[in-house]
Amino acid sequence: QQQVRQSPQSLTVWEGETAILNCSYENSAFDYFPWYQQFPGEGPALLISILSVSDKKEDGRFTIFFNKREKKLSLHIADSQPGDSATYFCAAKTGGYKVVFGSGTRLLVSP
Amino acid sequence: GPKVLQIPSHQIIDMGQMVTLNCDPVSNHLYFYWYKQILGQQMEFLVNFYNGKVMEKSKLFKDQFSVERPDGSYFTLKIQPTALEDSAVYFCASSLDGTANSDYTFGSGTRLLVI
Repeated sequence: QQQVRQSPQSLTVWEGETAILNCSYENSAFDYFPWYQQFPGEGPALLISILSVSDKKEDGRFTIFFNKREKKLSLHIADSQPGDSATYFCAAKTGGYKVVFGSGTRLLVSP
Repeated sequence: GPKVLQIPSHQIIDMGQMVTLNCDPVSNHLYFYWYKQILGQQMEFLVNFYNGKVMEKSKLFKDQFSVERPDGSYFTLKIQPTALEDSAVYFCASSLDGTANSDYTFGSGTRLLVI
C-alpha cells in the first residue's frame, strides 16, 4: 500500500510564482520527512527536511509546512525559477528503518 | 559535498545472464541501500545493509538478488539470473548511521536494460 502520497502528479507554474507540492502519510510513527529533488538522469538529492516536532522549516526559497494532526505536509517553493524544474519526492522515515518515498511531483517552471 | 559513485552508469544484458551493480558509498557512512526506479517514477526500496548484514529487504528483493560489501570494497547488488522486469534504474545510497534524521546520499544510478 502507498504509505506516502503526493499531489499533484505534475505541476506547471510561471517563473516568480510560488509552487505548492502536497504530501500526506499514513504511518503515525514517521517522525522525519526529507524532500528530495531529482533532475533527469541524476539521483535524488536532499533538498530540505523536517522533524515531526516542528511545524515549519525554511531554507531560502523552500519552506516545509507540517501538520502532524492531519498527517499532511507541503513544500512551498517561492519565486520559482526555471532551474527548479525537476521531480520532487516527499519521503518519510522512522527510527532506523528505511526511507519511504512518495510517487513524486513533476514541477515545470515556465519562463 | 560527499558523493556516492555508481558503476557502470548503463548496462545492457541478455535475459538470464548475471549482472553486478557496483556502488562506492561515502567513505565514513555505515549504512547502505539499494532502491529501484522505473520510468522516473516512485523510488522503491529494495534492501539495506549494515555491518556486513542485510537489515531489511522488501518484496521486490527477489531470491535472484543478493548484496555484499567484501572488506570495505564496493557495495554490490547482484542479480542472477536477470529477468525482463528487472529493467530499471538502480540507485545506491548511503547514510552515516541509522537514526531517524540521518540523511541519505544517493548515487546517479545504474540504468539496467534486460533484453
